[in-house]
Amino acid sequence: QVQLVESGGGVVQPGRSLRLSCAASGFTFGRSAMHWVRQVPGKGLEWVALISYDGSNKYFADSVRGRFTISRDNSKNTLYLQMNSLSTEDTAVYYCARDAPVAGSGLFDYWGQGTLVTVSS
Amino acid sequence: EIVLTQSPATLSLSPGERATLSCRASQSVSNYLAWFQQKPGQAPRLLIYDASNRATGVPARFSGSGSGTDFALTISSLEPEDSAVYYCQQRSYWPPLTFGGGTKVEI
Repeated sequence: QVQLVESGGGVVQPGRSLRLSCAASGFTFGRSAMHWVRQVPGKGLEWVALISYDGSNKYFADSVRGRFTISRDNSKNTLYLQMNSLSTEDTAVYYCARDAPVAGSGLFDYWGQGTLVTVSS
Repeated sequence: EIVLTQSPATLSLSPGERATLSCRASQSVSNYLAWFQQKPGQAPRLLIYDASNRATGVPARFSGSGSGTDFALTISSLEPEDSAVYYCQQRSYWPPLTFGGGTKVEI
């Protein structure tokens, strides 16, 4: 079965960096585009970034463009989110999600359990 | 950016009742609209995609309808385990992919 397991969250000071990981199993990771989606505790969902199956294409939300980088290592079945210049507004649970294998996609069919990032001094 | 507006914010119903949740888009998204269910402490779960297609394993009491700018998620007969927040999401015009603000269903 598809499993996505995020790690790397924690408490970080404003202006610092953090890298999240998402370990994938149960499907052919190297054939799937992948997303990061975040959720401020008690609030709604916000799409953060997408990386294509081979890493050649990447897209970002305006709120993180220029500060966050998405990458992947298909040999390790792992997705990453490098977050730089963090602010308190980046405090959220970060989910990785698989891009569903349907035409045009942009559909999230499997999600990890999430990892909490708290930006606080 | 396409804005999705969900209503009502909260829906309080009894077991066995019918629930109808609304999602309105700021411009046409064709049928590229999905619905997710999120229970406390859990990740979202895909229920409906492309407006009316149930995802694998989703009970038949969940159904989706609509096209263009107006969509609905219907739960035909509420079960206690359906208590959750429900989000709509569009994939018609992106980036960015966008979500509605959610409807909380209380049973």
